[in-house]
Amino acid sequence: SQQGEEDPQALSIQEGENATMNCSYKTSINNLQWYRQNSGRGLVHLILIRSNEREKHSGRLRVTLDTSKKSSSLLITASRAADTASYFCATSSGGFKTIFGAGTRLFVKA
Amino acid sequence: GAVVSQHPSRVICKSGTSVKIECRSLDFQATTMFWYRQFPKKSLMLMATSNEGSKATYEQGVEKDKFLINHASLTLSTLTVTSAHPEDSSFYICSARDKGQGAEAFFGQGTRLTVV
Repeated sequence: SQQGEEDPQALSIQEGENATMNCSYKTSINNLQWYRQNSGRGLVHLILIRSNEREKHSGRLRVTLDTSKKSSSLLITASRAADTASYFCATSSGGFKTIFGAGTRLFVKA
Repeated sequence: GAVVSQHPSRVICKSGTSVKIECRSLDFQATTMFWYRQFPKKSLMLMATSNEGSKATYEQGVEKDKFLINHASLTLSTLTVTSAHPEDSSFYICSARDKGQGAEAFFGQGTRLTVV
């Protein structure tokens, strides 16, 4: 990817379980965002965390950011079949370009 | 959130022809828009940054003459794929930032281009 890596590349879990996805990036950032993409469709913005924040919550989503390790994690709690999608982290730096990680394909089995 | 409209959502064209994709910010002004390309099951690769009233800034490896970008107004950027080839078939997505707001980028719904 242009910026960094995400792991796992693919994740398959049962409905009700938690899903954790990790993202690493290479350069200094202003903020980091997580997006969701259903197959063949556009992006849905999930959450934005700024470089001076360490953790953020939104509903069933919890995002952490460790700027010393240049990494972030997205936790989806109590997953549902409808959460099946690809999840991307994206970083923005001073030039305001948004650069995407490789993505994690999540499959939640009902 | 703000709305970015991308048109068309799907297009099929013949090899050698050109295709124009539009990206519009509907309820905000965007001095900067971005164009991405996505191959199947892959991530989004930034192609270029579109600046209103000036030339686009292309990422390394992206052919400027192949992918023409025009950002004529604060609400419209266009990407023209010239002399299309089957290998140009891909999913193209634009995004825009509201110059009056924070860092969040808003994305269009994407255009699936198929060159036959």
